[in-house]
Amino acid sequence: EDKVVQSPLSLVVHEGDTVTLNCSYEVTNFRSLLWYKQEKKAPTFLFMLTSSGIEKKSGRLSSILDKKELFSILNITATQTGDSAVYLCAVDDNQGGKLIFGQGTELSVKP
Amino acid sequence: GAGVSQSPSNKVTEKGKDVELRCDPISGHTALYWYRQSLGQGLEFLIYFQGNSAPDKSGLPSDRFSAERTGGSVSTLTIQRTQQEDSAVYLCASSLVARAGSYEQYFGPGTRLTVT
Repeated sequence: EDKVVQSPLSLVVHEGDTVTLNCSYEVTNFRSLLWYKQEKKAPTFLFMLTSSGIEKKSGRLSSILDKKELFSILNITATQTGDSAVYLCAVDDNQGGKLIFGQGTELSVKP
Repeated sequence: GAGVSQSPSNKVTEKGKDVELRCDPISGHTALYWYRQSLGQGLEFLIYFQGNSAPDKSGLPSDRFSAERTGGSVSTLTIQRTQQEDSAVYLCASSLVARAGSYEQYFGPGTRLTVT
């Protein structure tokens, strides 16, 4: 059965800290891995990764994929309270576009 | 519109009643998805529409759940004879379809369904 596992499930840090969120996957026919940020309601898109070793970067956030070891990490440097959210990892298993989601990592950044 | 919209934002219903949830995708997006998010859980795929193709219903949890997409745009998710375990946030997403590779899905704000 295809699955996506995120760790840790929750994390509390202080402003200015750097955090690393993990996502591992087992899917039959991998096409891409996506990261989303979910605050109150709608998940918002962060990154899509399709190739190993190529870092995607947006401001203080960056992400990289390892297709050999079947995992991805999401890094957030110099965290701010506005980074507090649930971060969702999802994999497209090339079956029509539906995404398989992990449980999410709940990040709380304290002032 | 600017983004995916869903209505209602909140719905409280009694066990056994039917409910309809609506999704308006981003204009021009041919793919539309429904997901369910139970408390503290990740998103669970329900159903997927792509253009005029037959929908992928593989994620629907029971035959009480159905969905349609009229005119290739607005979609309605219907839950018949609701049960308490149907309580969740129902999220809709839409995307363009690329010829090759993946395409990000854009999510609506969701409908929080509470079955009492």
